[in-house]
Amino acid sequence: QKEVEQNSGPLSVPEGAIASLNCTYSDRVSQSFFWYRQYSGKSPELIMSIYSNGDKEDGRFTAQLNKASQYVSLLIRDSQPSDSATYLCAVPSGGTSYGKLTFGQGTILTVHP
Amino acid sequence: DAGVTQSPTHLIKTRGQQVTLRCSPISGHKSVSWYQQVLGQGPQFIFQYYEKEERGRGNFPDRFSARQFPNYSSELNVNALLLGDSALYLCASSDLKTSRTADTQYFGPGTRLTVL
Repeated sequence: QKEVEQNSGPLSVPEGAIASLNCTYSDRVSQSFFWYRQYSGKSPELIMSIYSNGDKEDGRFTAQLNKASQYVSLLIRDSQPSDSATYLCAVPSGGTSYGKLTFGQGTILTVHP
Repeated sequence: DAGVTQSPTHLIKTRGQQVTLRCSPISGHKSVSWYQQVLGQGPQFIFQYYEKEERGRGNFPDRFSARQFPNYSSELNVNALLLGDSALYLCASSDLKTSRTADTQYFGPGTRLTVL
């Protein structure tokens, strides 16, 4: 089993719809979870972090964490064409804070007008 | 405030050559991590340095080495380049002051390395 797995893409949604991105992780002691957005040819940009079970909202983005199920998701409401990018789920390795993030393979999101 | 900076932006080398990539972290950040990202995959961890000491190493061969300087900038060196080393090399900095945000990493623009 991979340490961090994301739902296979690509994901295509119409403008204005909700995009749902999912991620599962294997390390039960993980305490921090991150979502990065990466535009083609660019570097990853942090968009959300979540540490506690439940939902965390920031503008059109909502991160959801369920530690019992080892599952973290990202919802993008009112999707815009500018949201078209690869979304990366990242989890610190071994629950430590020693600077190693393990990434999923990424989910490509396309928002079409 | 300036973010993470990396140089050069692009680099073309031939097999067997050596390359040095440079990174300056966000001001005040003392931790630098290096990642390799090949096309279609998520970044893979190579090294982490904190206070000039290596704190973590990923599953990469000894051809890869790194160091951190007193000003917290860092260099990644790759010797005896192979075609498979062609990738985007990312540097990330983090502020390890608090346990809650210690893992939050901010990425630089990356260095695109092409090995011919």
